[in-house]
Amino acid sequence: AQSVTQLDSQVPVFEEAPVELRCNYSSSVSVYLFWYVQYPNQGLQLLLKYLSGSTLVKGINGFEAEFNKSQTSFHLRKPSVHISDTAEYFCAVSGTGANNLFFGTGTRLTVIP
Amino acid sequence: GAVVSQHPSRVICKSGTSVKIECRSLDFQATTMFWYRQFPKQSLMLMATSNEGSKATYEQGVEKDKFLINHASLTLSTLTVTSAHPEDSSFYICSAPPTGGPLSTFGSGTRLTVV
Repeated sequence: AQSVTQLDSQVPVFEEAPVELRCNYSSSVSVYLFWYVQYPNQGLQLLLKYLSGSTLVKGINGFEAEFNKSQTSFHLRKPSVHISDTAEYFCAVSGTGANNLFFGTGTRLTVIP
Repeated sequence: GAVVSQHPSRVICKSGTSVKIECRSLDFQATTMFWYRQFPKQSLMLMATSNEGSKATYEQGVEKDKFLINHASLTLSTLTVTSAHPEDSSFYICSAPPTGGPLSTFGSGTRLTVV
């Protein structure tokens, strides 16, 4: 099975500052990695994914993440955040042979004006 | 792209009644659908895997007689919370991977409140 650890439950950051949301995973098999964003009382929206190929993955809304196999990490970054980025962010992993996702506990990003 | 429609978005029911949540894949066939539950300020936890034409697979600790799953067609899966209690109040969300792909599309979720 797989598991995900999101080290920070809450991350406050000032508007236009850079941000990094940390994610580490564990798995005995090859994995796919995902970052999702959830706005209040809404479903999940995919930000970006790593399936194979380049370890630097670019997603929507200016976010990017880098897959680091040796450190089993998939940290999410954005060089300059906006107020609208305030939301809950979930890192998720699945084995390459399966479709069900294992989620981290989430990181609440709050952008301060 | 692949779209999963989930209804209702919000439901309030009395304790002891049953509630049905529907999840439809609008533009693709979903042989498998996943049902997750999210308690306030917590992560999503997989409850069960719904398989078209066969019995659902439930995760450990999830009561299959309480959370009835039916996947009667390639585009529809339903989750029925039977004899709901206040502790069942939660955010329920489904997802489905388009055939052959590793990427699940999520429904918009259902906020269930049992009073």
